[in-house]
Amino acid sequence: ENQVEHSPHFLGPQQGDVASMSCTYSVSRFNNLQWYRQNTGMGPKHLLSMYSAGYEKQKGRLNATLLKNGSSLYITAVQPEDSATYFCAVVEHSGGGADGLTFGKGTHLIIQP
Amino acid sequence: DAEITQSPRHKITETGRQVTLACHQTWNHNNMFWYRQDLGHGLRLIHYSYGVQDTNKGEVSDGYSVSRSNTEDLPLTLESAASSQTSVYFCASSEGGGVSEQYFGPGTRLTVT
Repeated sequence: ENQVEHSPHFLGPQQGDVASMSCTYSVSRFNNLQWYRQNTGMGPKHLLSMYSAGYEKQKGRLNATLLKNGSSLYITAVQPEDSATYFCAVVEHSGGGADGLTFGKGTHLIIQP
Repeated sequence: DAEITQSPRHKITETGRQVTLACHQTWNHNNMFWYRQDLGHGLRLIHYSYGVQDTNKGEVSDGYSVSRSNTEDLPLTLESAASSQTSVYFCASSEGGGVSEQYFGPGTRLTVT
């Protein structure tokens, strides 16, 4: 059974700080890892995707790294609007076509003013 | 603009009733997915479809069914609603292949009494 675990479960940095979160995963045949953000009452929104260990990606104030069996996500200079739940989701290799995502329980980020 | 919509947004039903949740996307995506999200859990995959006439079971498919008669729609049916199916349901779509990001709808909150 595929599994994704997040750390920490809750994060409460001060405005302007760096928020740091990570996930670890266990899948039979890794394809790619995606980070999503979910605001209260809405569906998740894709942030970025990564494909192999050592892969790094920067998107605005987001910096992500893919490690063997895990990933780290950093948000620099956090703002109140960054408050949300951040999910790591893993896609497993299959014979082709679409693959469902395996999500972790997420990291709940609340920015302190 | 292309979008993915779900209806109804909220529904209350009684145990044993059949319920159908609608999902409609205008992205012209081949791949569509249904997830459920429960408090303290990440999203879990219920069913998915690679295209018209194709359906596949996900991690938590018992008690649910889907059918795909066109590209735009993937309705989710609860054959006989149970209290354990009280949850928030999200529909998603993706362009193709396992590496594609998924676009999520706004969700349907279902309560089974």
